[in-house]
Amino acid sequence: DTGVSQNPRHKITKRGQNVTFRCDPISEHNRLYWYRQTLGQGPEFLTYFQNEAQLEKSRLLSDRFSAERPKGSFSTLEIQRTEQGDSAMYLCASSGRGEQFFGPGTRLTVL
Amino acid sequence: AQSVTQLDSQVPVFEEAPVELRCNYSSSVSVYLFWYVQYPNQGLQLLLKYLSGSTLVKGINGFEAEFNKSQTSFHLRKPSVHISDTAEYFCAVILASGTYKYIFGTGTRLKVLA
Repeated sequence: DTGVSQNPRHKITKRGQNVTFRCDPISEHNRLYWYRQTLGQGPEFLTYFQNEAQLEKSRLLSDRFSAERPKGSFSTLEIQRTEQGDSAMYLCASSGRGEQFFGPGTRLTVL
Repeated sequence: AQSVTQLDSQVPVFEEAPVELRCNYSSSVSVYLFWYVQYPNQGLQLLLKYLSGSTLVKGINGFEAEFNKSQTSFHLRKPSVHISDTAEYFCAVILASGTYKYIFGTGTRLKVLA
């Protein structure tokens, strides 16, 4: 068990570009969560998967954001037409029936 | 709706002194409570959790927390801090059913001074 991994760890992009992040959860975990953390704030819930089904999306997740979890394993979070306000740390977490285990996050900077 | 309040944004404390980081929550239904620590440029690491049972919960690195239902609080304590405890600490709640998504407080930055 190597824990939750996220790639890339850092991403710098220009406004208007599309970006995609990947999360590999702990293998036996069926629940997967995405959170966004801005400077000086706690993480905020974005979306939740149980296996391959996306069961909840936050209102923070505008139509420029899309998340997938094909085959119930890894997940991707795509942001289209990035804006400077999208700059944040994007955290992924997975869980079985207990607490969530977090990955190291992907820090996005939109110039 | 549920919410979590961490009133102290920063707490400076000298090494080997005790510390308490405050957390209050609001919820009309049963919740589970957690404390996480975040070191710079890293993800969150679980310190301790309260699901049920004894209201005094012991966690890693010498931390403990007490669940107080009447005061809707879950304060984190350590009797003697070390320089290495310098980090951001987040209190979080989840509903006892449903998606189990976390609702986090805004965090408390603990700075341990030599």
